[in-house]
Amino acid sequence: EPEVTQTPSHQVTQMGQEVILRCVPISNHLYFYWYRQILGQKVEFLVSFYNNEISEKSEIFDDQFSVERPDGSNFTLKIRSTKLEDSAMYFCASSDGTSGIYNEQFFGPGTRLTVL
Amino acid sequence: AQKITQTQPGMFVQEKEAVTLDCTYDTSDPSYGLFWYKQPSSGEMIFLIYQGSYDQQNATEGRYSLNFQKARKSANLVISASQLGDSAMYFCAMREGGNAGNMLTFGGGTRLMVKP
Repeated sequence: EPEVTQTPSHQVTQMGQEVILRCVPISNHLYFYWYRQILGQKVEFLVSFYNNEISEKSEIFDDQFSVERPDGSNFTLKIRSTKLEDSAMYFCASSDGTSGIYNEQFFGPGTRLTVL
Repeated sequence: AQKITQTQPGMFVQEKEAVTLDCTYDTSDPSYGLFWYKQPSSGEMIFLIYQGSYDQQNATEGRYSLNFQKARKSANLVISASQLGDSAMYFCAMREGGNAGNMLTFGGGTRLMVKP
């Protein structure tokens, strides 16, 4: 069964450094998402991406964040200058967009980002 | 106001018993979908079941069923015949509007612990 993959599984970085989190969505999917989950808290939406542009973003997704689909298979989240509060699990998800309101989002296994 | 509320931070259930996890939601959009996800200790998000706002019948998926009470804006997850492997965090989520790419809004989660 096709699945969303994410690399790395765990990333440790120093405050102020740039990080790029990578995701490979399911191949025929059209919608891509990033969510984050701070330890012990709920999952929060960051951004959605469709047709090579951002379709929706939350207030968390400020100028420090950017997304890109550089080569038709990867979907990346870049954090330009990491802060301690960026430490979280980051989930990538994708959906095929063919089922209207029922449009299951398939989640990747997550990347745990630790900012020191 | 919270869009998704899960009032039970933690619950215990005896193995083989049924358990209900509560979820209430708030939306003024007539078109919405409700999702339940399971998050085991390994961290991945596993889709369980979906209920659409226009669905006439409660959704069922194996041992999972959804007690959908639209007038009360509740979408409780019922797990029958609990198994030890059901021990996990459970998140209720909602998508509003008819756009297939719309984001999911998650509740705070309920940690279910199944006792042998």
